[in-house]
Amino acid sequence: KNQVEQSPQSLIILEGKNCTLQCNYTVSPFSNLRWYKQDTGRGPVSLTIMTFSENTKSNGRYTATLDADTKQSSLHITASQLSDSASYICVVSDRGSTLGRLYFGRGTQLTVWP
Amino acid sequence: EADIYQTPRYLVIGTGKKITLECSQTMGHDKMYWYQQDPGMELHLIHYSYGVNSTEKGDLSSESTVSRIRTEHFPLTLESARPSHTSQYLCASSADSSGSYNEQFFGPGTRLTVL
Repeated sequence: KNQVEQSPQSLIILEGKNCTLQCNYTVSPFSNLRWYKQDTGRGPVSLTIMTFSENTKSNGRYTATLDADTKQSSLHITASQLSDSASYICVVSDRGSTLGRLYFGRGTQLTVWP
Repeated sequence: EADIYQTPRYLVIGTGKKITLECSQTMGHDKMYWYQQDPGMELHLIHYSYGVNSTEKGDLSSESTVSRIRTEHFPLTLESARPSHTSQYLCASSADSSGSYNEQFFGPGTRLTVL
């Protein structure tokens, strides 16, 4: 069964600190993995995308890693800001369907305190 | 910010009412999707479309229906709303190109509350 599991479920950190969010998946055949940021009451916005041949991708203060062998990914946020407070969703796409089906994790709810 | 729009953003209605959630995109994307999301839970695909006059049901059973008469427009309709339909509904679209890695662009969502 294709699944995406994220941890922790929620996380509180102080402004300026770093944090790392985890994602494990069982989706096969694997196409790509994205991290989305979803602000409260808004739609998800893509932060990074990685294919099986990429093991790291950065977007400003966000750095994602991918280990396709162990089917794990992480999202590292550096020097957190109050605006980083959001849900971070790991999304894995398979390449076995013409639809390009996406498998969503439940997200990690990050709260950044001043 | 993606060029995909949803209206209304918030809707509170009584049981039994018919409602239509609007979704429009200006990117010329062929594929469009509707997801349902409850707080703290993952997005569930309820409908999708490959293009005009194409609609399919997703993984999560839904009493809603959709139509795709124009490329840019993908409305979702509930004939008789019930409290169990209370949720956030997200619309998305993607280009029909393998080079895009199936990136889906999401609208801001409609928060529906049925009393």
